[in-house]
Amino acid sequence: AQKITQTQPGMFVQEKEAVTLDCTYDTSDPSYGLFWYKQPSSGEMIFLIYQGSYDQQNATEGRYSLNFQKARKSANLVISASQLGDSAMYFCAMRAYSSASKIIFGSGTRLSIRP
Amino acid sequence: DAGVTQSPTHLIKTRGQQVTLRCSPISGHKSVSWYQQVLGQGPQFIFQYYEKEERGRGNFPDRFSARQFPNYSSELNVNALLLGDSALYLCASSPEGRGRDGYTFGSGTRLTVV
Repeated sequence: AQKITQTQPGMFVQEKEAVTLDCTYDTSDPSYGLFWYKQPSSGEMIFLIYQGSYDQQNATEGRYSLNFQKARKSANLVISASQLGDSAMYFCAMRAYSSASKIIFGSGTRLSIRP
Repeated sequence: DAGVTQSPTHLIKTRGQQVTLRCSPISGHKSVSWYQQVLGQGPQFIFQYYEKEERGRGNFPDRFSARQFPNYSSELNVNALLLGDSALYLCASSPEGRGRDGYTFGSGTRLTVV
C-alpha cells in the first residue's frame, strides 16, 4: 500500500527564516515520483517541486528545495527566506509508476509566517 | 494561456440530487484527473482520463462517474448526493498524466450538499 505521512498539522515561522516541512512516504514500487504542492485559501493546488526516485541530486526550484533521503523514505520540503505570501497549506504527494494514474496526498501542513 | 478552468466555482445541492462539474484542461494537455478534497484533508483521487479513456479510478462508489470529450474537457457526475459528498472537487490536467508530468490544478468547485 502507498502512503504519505505529514506529521506537522501546523507551523509558525518568523518571516525571512528558513522552514522545513516533513514528509515520509511508503511504497513498494521502486519507481515513483514525489511532489510538493501549495494550497492557498483560494483552493488552487500550486505545484512547487518534483523529485524522481532515481534522481541523483535533490531537486531545487528557486527558494524551494527537496531534502530527499531515499533510505529513510523521507522527502522534506525546505523553504528558504520565508515570505508572508508563503502562508498556506502544503501537501506532500507521491505517484508510484506502477499505478501511474493517481497521485496520493498527505494530510497537509498549515504554514503561517509571522511578520 | 488559460490555466485549468472549472465550473461552477460554488454549488449548493440537496441530498438525493445529481450534480455535474466541468473542467477544461490546459491547451495541449490530454489527461484530466479528478480529486475530492474534504475539509481538513488532502485530496483523494477519483478518476483519471487520457485520450477519452478511463485510465484509473479511485475508491469511490458507482454514484461517481466521469467522461472526457474529444476536446479533452471533462465532466464529473455525482448521483444521489449525500451530505458526505460536500467537498472541494479539483480537476488537474497534465500532458499525458504519467512519469515526471506535473499536474496543474484548477481552483476547484466547492460543492455543498444540504
